[in-house]
Amino acid sequence: KAGVTQTPRYLIKTRGQQVTLSCSPISGHRSVSWYQQTPGQGLQFLFEYFSETQRNKGNFPGRFSGRQFSNSRSEMNVSTLELGDSALYLCASSLPPYEQYFGPGTRLTVT
Amino acid sequence: GESVGLHLPTLSVQEGDNSIINCAYSNSASDYFIWYKQESGKGPQFIIDIRSNMDKRQGQRVTVLLNKTVKHLSLQIAATQPGDSAVYFCAEKAVNYGGSQGNLIFGKGTKLSVKP
Repeated sequence: KAGVTQTPRYLIKTRGQQVTLSCSPISGHRSVSWYQQTPGQGLQFLFEYFSETQRNKGNFPGRFSGRQFSNSRSEMNVSTLELGDSALYLCASSLPPYEQYFGPGTRLTVT
Repeated sequence: GESVGLHLPTLSVQEGDNSIINCAYSNSASDYFIWYKQESGKGPQFIIDIRSNMDKRQGQRVTVLLNKTVKHLSLQIAATQPGDSAVYFCAEKAVNYGGSQGNLIFGKGTKLSVKP
């Protein structure tokens, strides 16, 4: 069974731009969660989607948004990028209520 | 590889020794706990989990202990190997209403370094 895949793996953007990251969950998994990982703040929850609906949202500004498609694939978007948005963005999929499986992440660098 | 954390607590052990990694969790309402291992350049990898109605669970070479009284979780790795070198995170979860899985709240992580 293929694992969680994330694209792209690496991305460099400039301040003010917007970015879209993609996540393909494990086949059969309907829940997708997104996390931001930075050296200073560690792993922080962004949001969770299940059956195309956002079920939970972390404490991030409205510039961070996401969506989930009918095939469970998910995208997250960050608008008006700031230097502090540089991070590893991780996607995790699960078949609730079981454990979450993480993808390798997308490393975003904002210059 | 990517740095997953700076200034992390570090545990250095000799190959073959047992390792104990500790974690204090924050929410007394959390009812599910997970340990993850993250190697450089990779996403967190599930190791073992435990529900709040248990105080101990064993896997292959790993044991998780849960003390709800003091909100403490530990991961014991038996016969630690060089391949165990990684950053280890504990995570807690409180299941929300409506069957939502809720979100994972991660600890800051501990870097385990195994000396051959």
